[in-house]
Amino acid sequence: AQTVTQSQPEMSVQEAETVTLSCTYDTSESDYYLFWYKQPPSRQMILVIRQEAYKQQNATENRFSVNFQKAAKSFSLKISDSQLGDAAMYFCALYSGGGADGLTFGKGTHLIIQP
Amino acid sequence: DTGVSQNPRHKITKRGQNVTFRCDPISEHNRLYWYRQTLGQGPEFLTYFQNEAQLEKSRLLSDRFSAERPKGSFSTLEIQRTEQGDSAMYLCASSPSTVFRETQYFGPGTRLLVL
Repeated sequence: AQTVTQSQPEMSVQEAETVTLSCTYDTSESDYYLFWYKQPPSRQMILVIRQEAYKQQNATENRFSVNFQKAAKSFSLKISDSQLGDAAMYFCALYSGGGADGLTFGKGTHLIIQP
Repeated sequence: DTGVSQNPRHKITKRGQNVTFRCDPISEHNRLYWYRQTLGQGPEFLTYFQNEAQLEKSRLLSDRFSAERPKGSFSTLEIQRTEQGDSAMYLCASSPSTVFRETQYFGPGTRLLVL
């Protein structure tokens, strides 16, 4: 069985500062994909960034970047220049196929942006 | 390009009643997924369809749950004889079947409360 662990239930950051959200995972598959999703209060889940396990280069999307450490099975999300609109629940998710085509999610990290 | 839509957005029912939710995926997305999200948790995979074929069901999907996607377009999720433990957010997601099929796009969810 595959697992995703987010050890930070809540994080707080000052507006314009940088914050890093942690995620570790476990899978026996060699081909898999990792995602960060954002879920604002009472709004739908939005894809923030994705990473293919076979790619060594860390993915970046504007102010969002990941630190993918395959050997350590670690996949952290860095948000630079935090904005008030970044406040949300952030979920780390794993897709490994191999007959299990659903995403496996962590429990989420509640990100608070302080003005 | 319209996103994934779900109806109703909210549903309150009494224990023992049947409920049905609908999901309309992004046009031309062949894959459709159902997840359940309880308070303070990440979404949990329930089932998925490739076109009209239901290819995988989680052990979370008890006999009281049934899902259909009759023409490979919209899908319905029915819960029979609802129980208070069924109270949750039910999320639908879709993905293309080829390039980036691993990336799922989520709808706003249907929040179910069983009294």
